[in-house]
Amino acid sequence: EAGVAQSPRYKIIEKRQSVAFWCNPISGHATLYWYQQILGQGPKLLIQFQNNGVVDDSQLPKDRFSAERLKGVDSTLKIQPAKLEDSAVYLCASSLDGIGEQYFGPGTRLTVT
Amino acid sequence: GENVEQHPSTLSVQEGDSAVIKCTYSDSASNYFPWYKQELGKRPQLIIDIRSNVGEKKDQRIAVTLNKTAKHFSLHITETQPEDSAVYFCAASIMEYGNKLVFGAGTILRVKS
Repeated sequence: EAGVAQSPRYKIIEKRQSVAFWCNPISGHATLYWYQQILGQGPKLLIQFQNNGVVDDSQLPKDRFSAERLKGVDSTLKIQPAKLEDSAVYLCASSLDGIGEQYFGPGTRLTVT
Repeated sequence: GENVEQHPSTLSVQEGDSAVIKCTYSDSASNYFPWYKQELGKRPQLIIDIRSNVGEKKDQRIAVTLNKTAKHFSLHITETQPEDSAVYFCAASIMEYGNKLVFGAGTILRVKS
């Protein structure tokens, strides 16, 4: 089966600019997660969707980050405006039912200058 | 909320030796403990997981042990090979609450040949 797809793979922007990341989960997976992985650290959950509804966004910096999952399939994560500390790899993961194994995408490496 | 600590941060072993990575967690309600392997520039991949109703699980050269009383779990890799070199992350979650993984900071494992 095809894995989790993400684009772009790399993005370089200046601070205060905006950026958007896209994720296509494994077909049929109801649960989608966005994680932020800063260099040298473990992934940190930003937001979790169950179908097209938000389950948990308690760690999402809502003043600058937003995410949506229209139609319960693809998802986009947006940062506006970006800060230097947003430089990280943004990982998307999906699972069949929110209980089982999470499958990760290749990530988008964001550099904010 | 949950906090996961992981040790050591780096580990160098000789090919053929064993490697052990340890994690502790804070939330006694956590009941799912996966281990992910992440090679440089690649996505995290699940290598083994354990649920709280089991004390030990083994898959070929990899094993995980769980001590619920002490709230710690460990990854054991026997007969290490150069291809085992990677960053290993432990995580903890409550499966019924959306399986939101809280990751440790990671261990860089180097297997010297």
